[in-house]
Formats: sequence, C-alpha cells, structure tokens
Amino acid sequence: AQTVTQSQPEMSVQEAETVTLSCTYDTSESDYYLFWYKQPPSRQMILVIRQEAYKQQNATENRFSVNFQKAAKSFSLKISDSQLGDAAMYFCAYSNMEYGNKLVFGAGTILRVKS
Amino acid sequence: NAGVTQTPKFQVLKTGQSMTLQCAQDMNHNSMYWYRQDPGMGLRLIYYSASEGTTDKGEVPNGYNVSRLNKREFSLRLESAAPSQTSVYFCASRRGWRGETQYFGPGTRLLVL
Repeated sequence: AQTVTQSQPEMSVQEAETVTLSCTYDTSESDYYLFWYKQPPSRQMILVIRQEAYKQQNATENRFSVNFQKAAKSFSLKISDSQLGDAAMYFCAYSNMEYGNKLVFGAGTILRVKS
Repeated sequence: NAGVTQTPKFQVLKTGQSMTLQCAQDMNHNSMYWYRQDPGMGLRLIYYSASEGTTDKGEVPNGYNVSRLNKREFSLRLESAAPSQTSVYFCASRRGWRGETQYFGPGTRLLVL
C-alpha cells in the first residue's frame, strides 16, 4: 500500500521569507499524481498545487512551487514571500491510477508565519 | 456554484445513536468520497463512489454505511455511534479518474459522548 510521510509536524517562517515543507512517499507505481492541500483554521481543504509524475517539470502556482524528485520519491513544497494568510496545516497527498483514484494523505505540517 | 456542501456542520451524539451525514455537489462530478480527519493522522478514506450506482470501501469503513442517492448526493450513515467515531468528516468529489483534483466540502464535526 502507498504511504505518505511528512516528517515536519510544525514549521515557522518569518513574513516575506521562504519556507520548504517536506514530503516523501512510497509506491511501486510509475504513473501517479501528487498534491499539496492547505487547511486554514476554517478547516476548508484548498488545493495548493498538483504534480503529474510523468512530467519532469516542477509545478508552480504563483508563490508556490514544488521540488519533485521521482527517483527519491520526494515532493517538497516551497512557499516564497510568505504571507500571514499562508499560516495553515499543509497536507501532502498521493493518488495512483487504480479504480477510484483514491487520495492517500500525510499527517500534515502546521505552518506558522511570524510578522 | 456552491461546490460541495455538507450538513450538518456540527453534531453531538450519544453512544449508540444513529445519524446520517449528507453531502451534495453541483459540479456534475462522477466520483465522491468520504474521509475522516483525526488529530495527527491526516485524512483517511472511509468509503467512495467512483460513479453513480457504485460504492466501495476505503481504508477505515467499519461502523459506517454509505448511499449514492444520485449523481449529486452521497450520504454517510453511522448506525450505532461510538466515541471512536468522534472526528471531523469531509466529503469530496472529482469529475473523472485520471489524477484530477478532488474538491472538498467544509466538513462536519461530530462528537460522540
């Protein structure tokens, strides 16, 4: 079974600085998708960024980018120019191509942003 | 579009009581999912419905049943609630299969005493 590991329970960053959240996963598949979701105090799950495993190019969305290392099974999220609104729980998630395309989530990383 | 909606937002149950959590989506999505979120464990899949008329067990299905009422609605039922089912429950939907984004509802916080 696939597993997703987020080794940083909590991270802090100064406003306007850059922070990187780590994620590793375990799979024997070659075709899959990876996601980062943000969960602010409202509890709403918000998609931050999505990466397709067959694409070598790292995905970017404005201030958010990923470092996807397929061989190392690593998928880190970099947040540049951190803002107070970035403070949230961040979840890394994996989805394979099996029937149903179920998501497997990591335990999450709490990001605190200091002003 | 309202996206994915869930009712109720919060519920308190006594052990042994039953209840149904409702979920609806207005995005014409084919697949729908129920997750639970417990502290320190991320989200875990309870049941899913890959298409209208089908339902399948996820990682933690014990103590739950589901109904895919139609393409829009997917309900989760607790027949005899237990304190271990105290959690936050999320419904999600997805248009197709190949790695498309799942969109989540706002969650239902359930407390079983």
